[in-house]
Amino acid sequence: DQQVKQNSPSLSVQEGRISILNCDYTNSMFDYFLWYKKYPAEGPTFLISISSIKDKNEDGRFTVFLNKSAKHLSLHIVPSQPGDSAVYFCAASFFSGNTPLVFGKGTRLSVIA
Amino acid sequence: KAGVTQTPRYLIKTRGQQVTLSCSPISGHRSVSWYQQTPGQGLQFLFEYFSETQRNKGNFPGRFSGRQFSNSRSEMNVSTLELGDSALYLCASSLAPGTDNEQFFGPGTRLTVL
Repeated sequence: DQQVKQNSPSLSVQEGRISILNCDYTNSMFDYFLWYKKYPAEGPTFLISISSIKDKNEDGRFTVFLNKSAKHLSLHIVPSQPGDSAVYFCAASFFSGNTPLVFGKGTRLSVIA
Repeated sequence: KAGVTQTPRYLIKTRGQQVTLSCSPISGHRSVSWYQQTPGQGLQFLFEYFSETQRNKGNFPGRFSGRQFSNSRSEMNVSTLELGDSALYLCASSLAPGTDNEQFFGPGTRLTVL
């Protein structure tokens, strides 16, 4: 049973526009959420995170929004750049002191120049 | 500062064989986690080691095992390989357990079981 779901396997966006990647989770015990980016032949790299006590976290072009009542989070990339083309994974963990991450299956973002 | 290194990068085995994968964490990192990535299941947590002790274990059969050495290097072993074990195995290291400590991933070992 997938506890973290990324329902869109792929997304194409024009360069300069906004990319919105979505993630849903089923377990209300998750209290920390992360986004990772993965290029081919490389391991995932950390992008941005958010604690359940917040509803928004921003870092440069990347913003993560958390809607706890809907058990939904989203990653916004503005403006999108061709170098953002990668697979994006949403991840969650139980309790901030616990390391194991529960990942979604990923969304492949293609930014078209 | 060198990143997380994993060896070998690619491996081909046949069913029934066993395999050992190695992970060297970033210098100073004492926590190592292993994940399996498959197209159908995404990334799934295998186990986590800290100070040579297994701290957490994912929902995988006993054929999957691991260990950590005093220098924080870690190995994982899969015995009696099955076709479904074909996957990318990723190792991640962090200073210590907990989400306050960012996990840095290695490039992975691509295992193919024929």
